[in-house]
Amino acid sequence: DTGVSQDPRHKITKRGQNVTFRCDPISEHNRLYWYRQTLGQGPEFLTYFQNEAQLEKSRLLSDRFSAERPKGSFSTLEIQRTEQGDSAMYLCASSLRTGGKAEAFFGQGTRLTVV
Amino acid sequence: GESVGLHLPTLSVQEGDNSIINCAYSNSASDYFIWYKQESGKGPQFIIDIRSNMDKRQGQRVTVLLNKTVKHLSLQIAATQPGDSAVYFCAENVSGGYNKLIFGAGTRLAVHP
Repeated sequence: DTGVSQDPRHKITKRGQNVTFRCDPISEHNRLYWYRQTLGQGPEFLTYFQNEAQLEKSRLLSDRFSAERPKGSFSTLEIQRTEQGDSAMYLCASSLRTGGKAEAFFGQGTRLTVV
Repeated sequence: GESVGLHLPTLSVQEGDNSIINCAYSNSASDYFIWYKQESGKGPQFIIDIRSNMDKRQGQRVTVLLNKTVKHLSLQIAATQPGDSAVYFCAENVSGGYNKLIFGAGTRLAVHP
């Protein structure tokens, strides 16, 4: 596997339930990002990890959202007590810190529908 | 799959023509820019990037132009093909850390045979 992998691709859940998504970045990439995208909009930054450290969180990330990257490899994004407004595509991206470029490569996303 | 960008501005071109997609970015402190292509139901795909110390960069069939004076980016696609049909986003990264990208609203490119 040479790309960013996300699981599941689609998730339908009832309002109030908890959901967890997984992201496996490109293996040598030490930076991992979560974004959210709603229809008709560009992706919006949620949070960023460098190795296992969560270095930045957006104000979009309410207390119901939590992200982890326990061993600096895969990451999980959990949403507790889901609301209909959480329905969106959740995108994971990874990049390799170098002296210059920081091109981020995205996964296919997890489409969440809260009913 | 679901359609990305249901109400985005649309650029319609004939196959074989050149396409120019424009983007106004927001932060004068941004020093790194990326163009992404997103097809329906898929994640954004990296196309080309440019740093703020350059005003032009060329790839295979694509050229990115950067005008820092007016905070404007453009993506030129030569000899546009049906496979180029997608939504295109520009993204900017504010200097001081290669952390997060701020995405523009996107433009849908429709290529007609």
